[in-house]
Amino acid sequence: AQSVSQHNHHVILSEAASLELGCNYSYGGTVNLFWYVQYPGQHLQLLLKYFSGDPLVKGIKGFEAEFIKSKFSFNLRKPSVQWSDTAEYFCAVTKGGGADGLTFGKGTHLIIQP
Amino acid sequence: NAGVTQTPKFRILKIGQSMTLQCAQDMNHNYMYWYRQDPGMGLKLIYYSVGAGITDKGEVPNGYNVSRSTTEDFPLRLELAAPSQTSVYFCASSYSGFGEQYFGPGTRLTVT
Repeated sequence: AQSVSQHNHHVILSEAASLELGCNYSYGGTVNLFWYVQYPGQHLQLLLKYFSGDPLVKGIKGFEAEFIKSKFSFNLRKPSVQWSDTAEYFCAVTKGGGADGLTFGKGTHLIIQP
Repeated sequence: NAGVTQTPKFRILKIGQSMTLQCAQDMNHNYMYWYRQDPGMGLKLIYYSVGAGITDKGEVPNGYNVSRSTTEDFPLRLELAAPSQTSVYFCASSYSGFGEQYFGPGTRLTVT
């Protein structure tokens, strides 16, 4: 079965700092990759996704992620974080062509200090 | 469009009681999912459906049942509530089986 690992469970940064959240998955076949964000008290929203093509994908609110197939990684980055980025971030994967739902990592709780 | 809606938002159950969590979507998506979110554990798939009349088990189906009689609705049934089912439950839908999923606001369930 596929699995998703997020390396940092809690991250605290100051405003304007750069952010990188690690994500690795274990499935060897074709995958579709996602980063979701959950702001306090809200439901999950899609930040960005990768299906194919350019491995550097850009999402909403200045986030981007890079798919490195050889490393089974899909790390999330943002050059300068804001206080409003405080949230829980989830990496998730589906098998290419599969219909059996998303496999999520355990999440990273990001706190941005003003 | 309302997107994905869930009711109720909060519920407290006693051990052994039963209840149904409602989920509806107005995007005409064929694929629908139920997840549970436990602190520090991410989301785990309970059941999913690829269309009306078709459902299948996910990673953690024990203690739950689902039905899908229409494209719009995908209720989740807890028959004999147990403390281990205390969690936040999210319903989601998608146009394709491997694409972006749209999530509802969640139901926070406590079983005591």
